[in-house]
Amino acid sequence: DIQMTQSPSTLSASVGDRVTITCRASQSISSWLAWYRQKPGKAPKLLIYKASSLESGVPSRFSGSGSGTEFTLTISSLQPDDFATYYCQQYNSYLWTFGQGTKVEIK
Amino acid sequence: QVQLQESGPGLVKPSETLSLTCAVSGYSISSGYYWGWIRQPPGKGLEWIGNIYHSGSTYYNPSLKSRVTISVDTSKNQFSLKLSSVTAADTAVYYCARHRPRATGGGFDIWGQGTMVTVSS
Repeated sequence: DIQMTQSPSTLSASVGDRVTITCRASQSISSWLAWYRQKPGKAPKLLIYKASSLESGVPSRFSGSGSGTEFTLTISSLQPDDFATYYCQQYNSYLWTFGQGTKVEIK
Repeated sequence: QVQLQESGPGLVKPSETLSLTCAVSGYSISSGYYWGWIRQPPGKGLEWIGNIYHSGSTYYNPSLKSRVTISVDTSKNQFSLKLSSVTAADTAVYYCARHRPRATGGGFDIWGQGTMVTVSS
């Protein structure tokens, strides 16, 4: 199985900050990676697919990069709506896995 | 627009089988995409349970494979999850979701609202 490891587990930041979250795969997954934002009590929302493609309707402050085993999600200017938990998900094989999550808290 | 809605018992006894259904509206399941189940124990992260392709092919999380069955009913435009021999560790919010094929980018683009299932006697 492909394991996905996110860092950090928790991140404290302020509105307007630039934030970066990292996701590492235990083996190469090419660019088959998605990022999600989940607010408490809600279903996750797709932000980025295929490592760097912005989902329709998602603000341009979100961007993704990387390939192979290392990936990043960047929020260029953190907004109040962005205090949430973020997950990466690989779909390189037919056995899909999520990272453990990164919680973005108010500093 | 495409919508997914989970339904099923909110309370299941230990050792019994958890059964959930996901009703799809706004899109025909048989037309394409993967249809999946994901769960989230209270206060914890997301765990992929498994998917079914519109053709009927299924893919399961190896850690759950021996207890999971996902099926599709195209006549009702819905798909279902059965998880047998449940324990308290299976207590979670269960989500159904649509996953795009890699040819169209991939990712779970549509999610149900989730349904809480508690395993307790």
